[in-house]
Amino acid sequence: QKEVEQDPGPLSVPEGAIVSLNCTYSNSAFQYFMWYRQYSRKGPELLMYTYSSGNKEDGRFTAQVDKSSKYISLFIRDSQPSDSATYLCATPAADAGGTSYGKLTFGQGTILTVHP
Amino acid sequence: AAGVIQSPRHLIKEKRETATLKCYPIPRHDTVYWYQQGPGQDPQFLISFYEKMQSDKGSIPDRFSAQQFSDYHSELNMSSLELGDSALYFCASSTPGTGATDTQYFGPGTRLTVL
Repeated sequence: QKEVEQDPGPLSVPEGAIVSLNCTYSNSAFQYFMWYRQYSRKGPELLMYTYSSGNKEDGRFTAQVDKSSKYISLFIRDSQPSDSATYLCATPAADAGGTSYGKLTFGQGTILTVHP
Repeated sequence: AAGVIQSPRHLIKEKRETATLKCYPIPRHDTVYWYQQGPGQDPQFLISFYEKMQSDKGSIPDRFSAQQFSDYHSELNMSSLELGDSALYFCASSTPGTGATDTQYFGPGTRLTVL
């Protein structure tokens, strides 16, 4: 079982829709969570990162973390065709003491298509 | 703003040949990570360097080696290439001191095709 699970989709929505992308994780020591966007044949681009439980908002994007259920989400409001990409959740490794470091573990990525 | 530079962007090799991938981190970033992404898969961590020393090692085959140089650029050397090595290879850089998030910024990747 992967430490970070993500529904690969694909997900297809009309322009203007609210998109919800979700991941679950198994290691309660994980402290930080990132969302990356990856366009086809490009490198992952950091969208947002969060630490504590709760919401973090940046423009049309909202990241949500629920550590009690080990569940992270990314919401995209007013989705645009330019949002069409693969979205990857990721978390840095964490030792038993809860200290985060280095290497990222990614979810499988969700392929999102926003059609006009 | 300057980004992570990787070269070459595309590389085609035959089985059993060798390949060298290069990564130039964002200026003042002292940590470099290498990831391998197979078709339709998520990136898998290979190896990382901090201040020119190997800091962590993931699922990197023994046929691969890497190092970080005094100018912080890094090279991934791959020998005895196999068909299964065909993938996108990403380099990411980060700098400590930005909080425990260790935010990693990815390069555009090198697409390696082994024939």
